[in-house]
Amino acid sequence: EPEVTQTPSHQVTQMGQEVILRCVPISNHLYFYWYRQILGQKVEFLVSFYNNEISEKSEIFDDQFSVERPDGSNFTLKIRSTKLEDSAMYFCASSELKGQLVSNQPQHFGDGTRLSIL
Amino acid sequence: QKEVEQNSGPLSVPEGAIASLNCTYSDRGSQSFFWYRQYSGKSPELIMFIYSNGDKEDGRFTAQLNKASQYVSLLIRDSQPSDSATYLCAVTPYGGSQGNLIFGKGTKLSVKP
Repeated sequence: EPEVTQTPSHQVTQMGQEVILRCVPISNHLYFYWYRQILGQKVEFLVSFYNNEISEKSEIFDDQFSVERPDGSNFTLKIRSTKLEDSAMYFCASSELKGQLVSNQPQHFGDGTRLSIL
Repeated sequence: QKEVEQNSGPLSVPEGAIASLNCTYSDRGSQSFFWYRQYSGKSPELIMFIYSNGDKEDGRFTAQLNKASQYVSLLIRDSQPSDSATYLCAVTPYGGSQGNLIFGKGTKLSVKP
């Protein structure tokens, strides 16, 4: 069964450094998402991406964050200057586009990248 | 603030029993409803989704939706110890045209052998 793959599985970074988290969505999926989950808390939406541009973003997704689809398969999340509070599990997800309502499409999650900021 | 509420549990049921997990949401215009299972330290895994009022069955799982009461539930029949996990309710809010999900905190289910 096709799956979303994320690398690395664990990233340790010094505060203030830039970090790039990578994702390969399921190949026929057109919508891509990033979520984060701080330890012990709920999964939170960060950003959605379609047709090479951001579709929606949350208040969490400030100027320190950016996303990119550098080629036909990868989807990346960049945090420019990491803070201690960025420590979390980051999940990439993707969904198909069937019919007209993307909101009806189930999202499939990758295994996540655990980001630890020291 | 659009919220999704779940009882954090833990909900403990004996093996073979029916586990009932509940979720309420604040946005009356919410469109789509999803149940994910999350094992400790792992990613959310899609269990079921439902869009219309009523019941939807898939194997041992039944999702129930009542939009008038803003309530969605998940029933797990013949519960197994391997079902022990945190169950996340997720909702696409009205205006969430690009599919962004709002998650509840999850209900921890423990199935005792």
